[in-house]
Amino acid sequence: AQSVAQPEDQVNVAEGNPLTVKCTYSVSGNPYLFWYVQYPNRGLQFLLKYITGDNLVKGSYGFEAEFNKSQTSFHLKKPSALVSDSALYFCAVRGLSGGYNKLIFGAGTRLAVHP
Amino acid sequence: DGGITQSPKYLFRKEGQNVTLSCEQNLNHDAMYWYRQDPGQGLRLIYYSQIVNDFQKGDIAEGYSVSREKKESFPLTVTSAQKNPTAFYLCASSVTGTGYGYTFGSGTRLTVV
Repeated sequence: AQSVAQPEDQVNVAEGNPLTVKCTYSVSGNPYLFWYVQYPNRGLQFLLKYITGDNLVKGSYGFEAEFNKSQTSFHLKKPSALVSDSALYFCAVRGLSGGYNKLIFGAGTRLAVHP
Repeated sequence: DGGITQSPKYLFRKEGQNVTLSCEQNLNHDAMYWYRQDPGQGLRLIYYSQIVNDFQKGDIAEGYSVSREKKESFPLTVTSAQKNPTAFYLCASSVTGTGYGYTFGSGTRLTVV
């Protein structure tokens, strides 16, 4: 079965430090992977995606993600965290579920960046 | 600008009433989705539609109904049979295909009073 795991409910980082939000996936075939961010009382905003090509994907707001096929991971990273990065982050994989091809979301990781 | 619009942003419902949440997109996307999000929680799929006049139940369809009479519109009705409807509801749309993500609306917060 296709699935996404975000092993951390919350990640705490000091402003200016690097951050990593972890994601692992299970999917048959080639993985199509996505990261979204959600601010309070807002919809999800697209950050970046991996379809094919370079394993390091750059996205919005200085975020990047590293695709690792052998570890089936797609961790989100940023070299220097900002307080404004504090939000809920969702990893997703496009896969077959219930007979249809759709996005399968992880449970989300809350990122808290402290001044 | 193309996008997906949900209305209203806030909705209050009395117990026993049905309410309908609106979702409209002008992105020419074939597929549309409804998700429910409870405080601090992840997304749970309610219904989805791949084409006009066709839709499928998601993981938590009980107490909800949808229609897809137009490509642009995918309204969600929260019926009185939904026992705990207070939540944040998100609509999304996408191109059908393996390499495409979703575009989300800004959400509707439904509160039962």
